[in-house]
Amino acid sequence: DIQMTQSPSSLSASVGDRVSITCQASQDISYYLNWYQQKPGKGPRLLIYDASNLEIGVPSRFSASGSGTEFTFTISSLQPEDIATYYCQQYEDLPITFGQGTRLEMK
Amino acid sequence: QLLLVESGGSVVLPGRSLRLSCVASGFTISNHAMHWVRQAPGKGLEWLAIISYDGGDETYADSVKGRFTISRDNSKNTLYAQLNNVSPDDTATYYCARGYCSRASCYTFDNWGQGTLVTVSS
Repeated sequence: DIQMTQSPSSLSASVGDRVSITCQASQDISYYLNWYQQKPGKGPRLLIYDASNLEIGVPSRFSASGSGTEFTFTISSLQPEDIATYYCQQYEDLPITFGQGTRLEMK
Repeated sequence: QLLLVESGGSVVLPGRSLRLSCVASGFTISNHAMHWVRQAPGKGLEWLAIISYDGGDETYADSVKGRFTISRDNSKNTLYAQLNNVSPDDTATYYCARGYCSRASCYTFDNWGQGTLVTVSS
């Protein structure tokens, strides 16, 4: 199985901060990586697909980049509604696997 | 408005079976592959299964293979999951998700339900 490792596991930031999360794959997954946001009690929401493509309706302060084994997700200016847990997911090979999640909190 | 609503979660005894449903509205599931994903309490996401748009093909994660069956009734715009011989390790919120297809695979989950909680306990 392809292991996805996110860092940090948790992050505390202030409104307006630039926030970045990294996701490392245990093997080359090309660009076959997605990013999701999950708020408490809700199902996840797709934010980024194919490593860097913004899903329709997602604010432009969200962005992502990377390929191969190293990926980065960025919020350019943190807003209160961005408080959530963020997951990366690879789909280069089965089984589909997710990172362990990064919990983003407001400082 | 695109919506997925899961139901069927409950407290179930170990060794028993349960069936989950996911009703879609705002779109036609017959145009999409569909998935089940689960999340144990306080834990991360685990993909379980995919079913092709017409139900002709299914693929499962090893963790549930042989105990989990994904199915669909396109005439009812509904996805199903049957989980047999449950154990406490199956305690989780179960989500259905719509598959977005790229690179000839449909493993991007572009819409999710709110989930239904299954608790396995004696």
